[in-house]
Amino acid sequence: SQKIEQNSEALNIQEGKTATLTCNYTNYSPAYLQWYRQDPGRGPVFLLLIRENEKEKRKERLKVTFDTTLKQSLFHITASQPADSATYLCALDKTSGGSYIPTFGRGTSLIVHP
Amino acid sequence: DTGVSQDPRHKITKRGQNVTFRCDPISEHNRLYWYRQTLGQGPEFLTYFQNEAQLEKSRLLSDRFSAERPKGSFSTLEIQRTEQGDSAMYLCASSPRTKNNYGYTFGSGTRLTVV
Repeated sequence: SQKIEQNSEALNIQEGKTATLTCNYTNYSPAYLQWYRQDPGRGPVFLLLIRENEKEKRKERLKVTFDTTLKQSLFHITASQPADSATYLCALDKTSGGSYIPTFGRGTSLIVHP
Repeated sequence: DTGVSQDPRHKITKRGQNVTFRCDPISEHNRLYWYRQTLGQGPEFLTYFQNEAQLEKSRLLSDRFSAERPKGSFSTLEIQRTEQGDSAMYLCASSPRTKNNYGYTFGSGTRLTVV
């Protein structure tokens, strides 16, 4: 069966350090992978999309890598700040009837300590 | 356009009652998705529409769940004969028809509590 795995344990880091979150998947052949941020009681907010032919993508302090051989994406936040504390979700599209259905991992909670 | 709107933000209902939630997507987005999210889990796909056509509904959790998008604009999700296990956050998202670099835009969700 298709699975998206994200570390269920919270990641605690000190302010200013780089946070690295992992998304592993099985039985997918994704054309692209997405990362979202979710704050408590709110809907997910789109951050970055990386395509299968892209090794890396950056946006300000965010960097995403995508290794289709390892079936893994890494999400990095450099110079982390307490305001970066949130749950980060990765998502892959599952094809269904010719359409793409976004399917999410359970997310990893990031806590940045001042 | 202020993004995806969901109403109400919170709903408390007694077991056995019917509830209906509304979602107003971004106006130029053809696709609209409904998700359910429980504590500690990622969003779980329920159904989606392209314009007014419901293209995937096999993931609706039971026949008590139904969704409509009559004019291809706003959508409603109805849960009949609610059960305590229906308590969750119900999220709506929208996207343009074609694949894009913009991801999916979510609303803030409707928090349902069944007592």
